[in-house]
Amino acid sequence: AQTVTQSQPEMSVQEAETVTLSCTYDTSESNYYLFWYKQPPSRQMILVIRQEAYKQQNATENRFSVNFQKAAKSFSLKISDSQLGDTAMYFCAFMSLIIQGAQKLVFGQGTRLTINP
Amino acid sequence: NAGVTQTPKFRILKIGQSMTLQCTQDMNHNYMYWYRQDPGMGLKLIYYSVGAGITDKGEVPNGYNVSRSTTEDFPLRLELAAPSQTSVYFCASTYGQINEQYFGPGTRLTVT
Repeated sequence: AQTVTQSQPEMSVQEAETVTLSCTYDTSESNYYLFWYKQPPSRQMILVIRQEAYKQQNATENRFSVNFQKAAKSFSLKISDSQLGDTAMYFCAFMSLIIQGAQKLVFGQGTRLTINP
Repeated sequence: NAGVTQTPKFRILKIGQSMTLQCTQDMNHNYMYWYRQDPGMGLKLIYYSVGAGITDKGEVPNGYNVSRSTTEDFPLRLELAAPSQTSVYFCASTYGQINEQYFGPGTRLTVT
């Protein structure tokens, strides 16, 4: 069974700083996808970034980038020039395909990130 | 498009009561999912559906039932509510195998 571990329950940085959130996972599969989701106080789950395991290049979306180390099964999220609106819970998620192409998302426990003014 | 909508937003149940959480999507997605999120935890898959008439169990299905009579709707039924079912419930949908899941706003359920 796949597991996802986020070892930092809480983090806090000053606005405009760079912050890195850690995530490790365990799987025997070779073809899978990894995601970072953001959950602000509104509770809405918002996709931040995704990474296909077969791609060696790290994904980037504006101020968000990942450091994907497949051999180490590590998938960290870097937020550059952090903004007050980045304050949220961040979840790392592993996706594999199950029956008839449906997705199985396994989530980590989350990291609560606070951006201070 | 409204995306994925869920009703109600909040609900308090007494032990042993039953209720149905509604989920509707207007994006013509074939795959739909139900998750629960316990306090301080990530989401766990309860049930999923690959299309109308086809459903299957996820990681934590006990105490729940689902049906999928149309592409748009995927209701989650709680029978004999228990305090362990106190949680936030999210519905999600996606089109195709590897596309992003779109989440609804969630339903906060308390069983006392």
